[in-house]
Amino acid sequence: EIVMTQSPATLSVSPGERATLSCRASQSISSNLAWYQHKPGQAPRLLIYGASTRATGIPARFSGGGSGTEFTLTISSLESEDFAVYYCQQYSNWPPGPPWTFGQGTKVEIK
Amino acid sequence: EVQLVESGGGLVQPGGSLRLSCVVSGFTFSSNWMSWVRQAPGKGLEWVANLSQDGSDKSCVDSVKGRFTISRDNAKNSLYLQMNSLRAEDTAVYYCARDPGFGLDVWGQGTTVIVSS
Repeated sequence: EIVMTQSPATLSVSPGERATLSCRASQSISSNLAWYQHKPGQAPRLLIYGASTRATGIPARFSGGGSGTEFTLTISSLESEDFAVYYCQQYSNWPPGPPWTFGQGTKVEIK
Repeated sequence: EVQLVESGGGLVQPGGSLRLSCVVSGFTFSSNWMSWVRQAPGKGLEWVANLSQDGSDKSCVDSVKGRFTISRDNAKNSLYLQMNSLRAEDTAVYYCARDPGFGLDVWGQGTTVIVSS
């Protein structure tokens, strides 16, 4: 099973500032990585897939980068609606294929 | 409008069973892989299982193997998760999601399962 590790666990940021979240895979997953935003009581929302491609309707302030084992999600200028928990997820094709695994999440909170 | 609506959650005793359903609208259900994902209280997201378009190919996480079964009825635009031998650690919000092969791009609002005596 591929283990995904996110850092930091919590990121305190002021509105308008830049936030950079990290995600590391225990083995190479090429660019088979997605990022999600999750707010309490809501469905998770796909932000980025293919490590760097924004999903439909996602604002340009969200950007993803990396490949292999090291990945980042950057929010260029935080807005109030961006305070949430963010998860990375690998979907590396067989082998090893499923199980898809998520990181433990990074909570972005208001400083 | 794309919609996924889960149902079937509730309170069940340890060792009991539940069947979750997810009804889909707004896209061609029969053309898509589908997944179940869960979130235990205070924890992160955990992928549970997925299923191919025709139901012939499926995978699941080790912790539910032999207890949970994913299935679908394309005529009813519905995805199911049969959960048997439930344990306290299965307590979670369960989400269904479309699994197009590049992440999980559409999600339902979830249904809550509580396993407790």
